[in-house]
Amino acid sequence: QIQLQQSGPGLVKPSQTLSLTCAISGDSVSNNNVDWGWIRQSPSRGLEWLGRTYYTSEWYYDYAVSVESRITINPDTSKNQFSLQLTSVTPDDTAVYYCVRGSRRGAWYTIDFWGQGALVTVSS
Amino acid sequence: QSVLTQPPSVSGTPGQRVTISCSGGSSNIGFQTVSWFRQVPGTAPQLLIFNTRQRPSGVPARFSASKPGTSASLAISGLQSEDEAIYFCGAWDGALGGYVFGTGTKVTVL
Repeated sequence: QIQLQQSGPGLVKPSQTLSLTCAISGDSVSNNNVDWGWIRQSPSRGLEWLGRTYYTSEWYYDYAVSVESRITINPDTSKNQFSLQLTSVTPDDTAVYYCVRGSRRGAWYTIDFWGQGALVTVSS
Repeated sequence: QSVLTQPPSVSGTPGQRVTISCSGGSSNIGFQTVSWFRQVPGTAPQLLIFNTRQRPSGVPARFSASKPGTSASLAISGLQSEDEAIYFCGAWDGALGGYVFGTGTKVTVL
């Protein structure tokens, strides 16, 4: 059974960097058929996909246009986990953050596993 | 800021059939497969439907879905009290280069 366990601080000051980690069990961060990403949810933005990383002979990264200048998603093969860093945060980045697994088979793609979610508040 | 549009709420009595619509465009629903997610407030969303109409193991057959054109639809037959939740649609958007979600529909069992 796939499990995603998130960790990281729940409070970040404005202009600082938000950092979260997602530990994977039951799968490998290097699995060629899936990707690993982050989604956030807030009342103002709803569910917002932030980005993903995946491995097919090398590592690839896709980021949402809304955050692409501030976001980094890094895989860590030694610990079988991946991380999110979002720089220069503002109160508008306050949200529940989820790590997720995306799966693809031929023409279809879906997000099939979600972490438990973590509320991150941006406030001084 | 959700790209896909859903009705805010639908309701029904136990045993009834309810449907939820999800409206998009040619770069997402019109071109890609659709997924549906179910979220009980305070918990993470869970996959309900993938590849437009396929159910993961463990999802009851009374959940069904279709995709006529650039809109998608989720139907819940034989509505039960435990179906109360918020339902989201989702699809990859080829123009945006990312995954997009619907605004969410709250299902209430009267």
